[in-house]
Amino acid sequence: EPEVTQTPSHQVTQMGQEVILRCVPISNHLYFYWYRQILGQKVEFLVSFYNNEISEKSEIFDDQFSVERPDGSNFTLKIRSTKLEDSAMYFCASSAPGLAGYNEQFFGPGTRLTVL
Amino acid sequence: AQSVTQLGSHVSVSEGALVLLRCNYSSSVPPYLFWYVQYPNQGLQLLLKYTTGATLVKGINGFEAEFKKSETSFHLTKPSAHMSDAAEYFCALKISNFGNEKLTFGTGTRLTIIP
Repeated sequence: EPEVTQTPSHQVTQMGQEVILRCVPISNHLYFYWYRQILGQKVEFLVSFYNNEISEKSEIFDDQFSVERPDGSNFTLKIRSTKLEDSAMYFCASSAPGLAGYNEQFFGPGTRLTVL
Repeated sequence: AQSVTQLGSHVSVSEGALVLLRCNYSSSVPPYLFWYVQYPNQGLQLLLKYTTGATLVKGINGFEAEFKKSETSFHLTKPSAHMSDAAEYFCALKISNFGNEKLTFGTGTRLTIIP
């Protein structure tokens, strides 16, 4: 069964360092998303991506964040200069075109980012 | 702005007992509602969804949920809990039928099954 994969499963970094979180969406999907969950808090939307551009971003997704689909299979989230408050579980998701509103988002297992 | 509230961050039930996980929403337009489950070290998996039509929705693993507009609720139930149901459950909504509309999640409920 097709699935969304994410690497690494756990990333530890020093404050101020750049990190790249990687996702491989399901191959025929066209919509891509990043969400995050700070420990004990809600899963929060970060950004959606379609046709090689950002469709929507939340207020969390500031200039420190960027997304890219560099090679037609990977979908990456870059944090340029990590802060302590970026520590969270980051989920990638993808969905296929379908009847509007009915398309299911398939989620990856997440990358736990720890900023020290 | 839309929001989702899940009452009870932790719920414990005995094996074989009724599971009831509560979800209330706030939305200015008719919502699309979802329940996701997350097993340890896995991604979020869709349990069931309400889009339009029948308000009682059946999902995988024997779960069902009922959309009650008057109560702005979408509670998740299962008549008889199984040990394999132990997981974290997330209620979520979408307010638009655009293909890449984002999901708004609740804080999640961790379900523990007592043998």
